[in-house]
Amino acid sequence: KAGVTQTPRYLIKTRGQQVTLSCSPISGHRSVSWYQQTPGQGLQFLFEYFSETQRNKGNFPGRFSGRQFSNSRSEMNVSTLELGDSALYLCASRSGLAGSYNEQFFGPGTRLTVL
Amino acid sequence: GNSVTQMEGPVTLSEEAFLTINCTYTATGYPSLFWYVQYPGEGLQLLLKATKADDKGSNKGFEATYRKETTSFHLEKGSVQVSDSAVYFCALSDPGGRTGGFKTIFGAGTRLFVKA
Repeated sequence: KAGVTQTPRYLIKTRGQQVTLSCSPISGHRSVSWYQQTPGQGLQFLFEYFSETQRNKGNFPGRFSGRQFSNSRSEMNVSTLELGDSALYLCASRSGLAGSYNEQFFGPGTRLTVL
Repeated sequence: GNSVTQMEGPVTLSEEAFLTINCTYTATGYPSLFWYVQYPGEGLQLLLKATKADDKGSNKGFEATYRKETTSFHLEKGSVQVSDSAVYFCALSDPGGRTGGFKTIFGAGTRLFVKA
């Protein structure tokens, strides 16, 4: 079974631009979560989607948004990029079915650099 | 809210030394506990897990026991190798309450260096 895939792996943008990151979960998984990893703040939860609905959201400004498609693939968008948005963005998938184990499987991440 | 605290690094050990990375948590209810490992330039890999009190998770020589009385989940390995050099994250599952959502709460991570 293929793992979680994220594209692109690396991105360089300038301040003020916007960016879209993509995540394909493990086949059959319906829950997709996004995390931001920085040296200063560590791993911080952004949001979780399940069956195309956002079910949980972290403490990030509205510039960070996401969506999930009917095939469970998810995208994350960051608008009006700031230098502080430079980070590794990790996507994780989980079965999400009632009674299933709460284990998340992570993708390799997208390294975003904002200049 | 729920949180995870783990020992600060870096931890530097010689090959074949004994490893302990301390982790304690604060949580309501009965979360599942995890250790994840991150190698340079890669995402997170689940190393081991425990879903209830007194469970022992183990994998690749690493072990951790879910201790509810001390709210701890310390990671141990009897003999480390150079290839174990990585960053280790302790984490817990956090159900999202009424929304039915879910997230994982991570500790700050502990960098381990193993010298040959």
